[in-house]
Amino acid sequence: DTAVSQTPKYLVTQMGNDKSIKCEQNLGHDTMYWYKQDSKKFLKIMFSYNNKELIINETVPNRFSPKSPDKAHLNLHINSLELGDSAVYFCASSQGPSSHYGYTFGSGTRLTVV
Amino acid sequence: AQSVAQPEDQVNVAEGNPLTVKCTYSVSGNPYLFWYVQYPNRGLQFLLKYITGDNLVKGSYGFEAEFNKSQTSFHLKKPSALVSDSALYFCAVRDKYGNKLVFGAGTILRVKS
Repeated sequence: DTAVSQTPKYLVTQMGNDKSIKCEQNLGHDTMYWYKQDSKKFLKIMFSYNNKELIINETVPNRFSPKSPDKAHLNLHINSLELGDSAVYFCASSQGPSSHYGYTFGSGTRLTVV
Repeated sequence: AQSVAQPEDQVNVAEGNPLTVKCTYSVSGNPYLFWYVQYPNRGLQFLLKYITGDNLVKGSYGFEAEFNKSQTSFHLKKPSALVSDSALYFCAVRDKYGNKLVFGAGTILRVKS
């Protein structure tokens, strides 16, 4: 019973391709997030959705487009992949955008662009 | 803007010795503070949090952290380190009205037997 699940776990693709990463949570949380962890392990928020509405959109190239079909799902689509997009992408969820319960993270998607 | 600093890239400690992983924060207003641990090729796991109340917070796996408002610190501690504690530790902060967690750069903890 994985609380926050991401697919795929690994993704190797060529420059210029378009790819998607999917995330689902079964915790009944209202808010979901995408974080990017770079090669130096630094974690930076990319997007956040609360009840299917975008509430955080950090400075991210518009090649990245999140989509939340319902509050249990948050997908990330990336167009025209570049070498610099190689990273681990983590999905997370929380009870609400201002929740003090912290986040529950997925196990990550390691994206390698060659 | 809220931020956290983890001044040590790596902390080395012998098994059985006490460990401390340092974190300082900067927020406007009262902070919500968190510690997470990341094992190799895994997601982040919640260890503990400070929201309000007692300055000493106890968490998972025997870890604890002390909130110090005057020093704006939230150091992670454990009385006796285990080799299995070796991992990457992240401090994170959110201000009371903020809608995102901001993470520090992480500290690698290595516990040697």
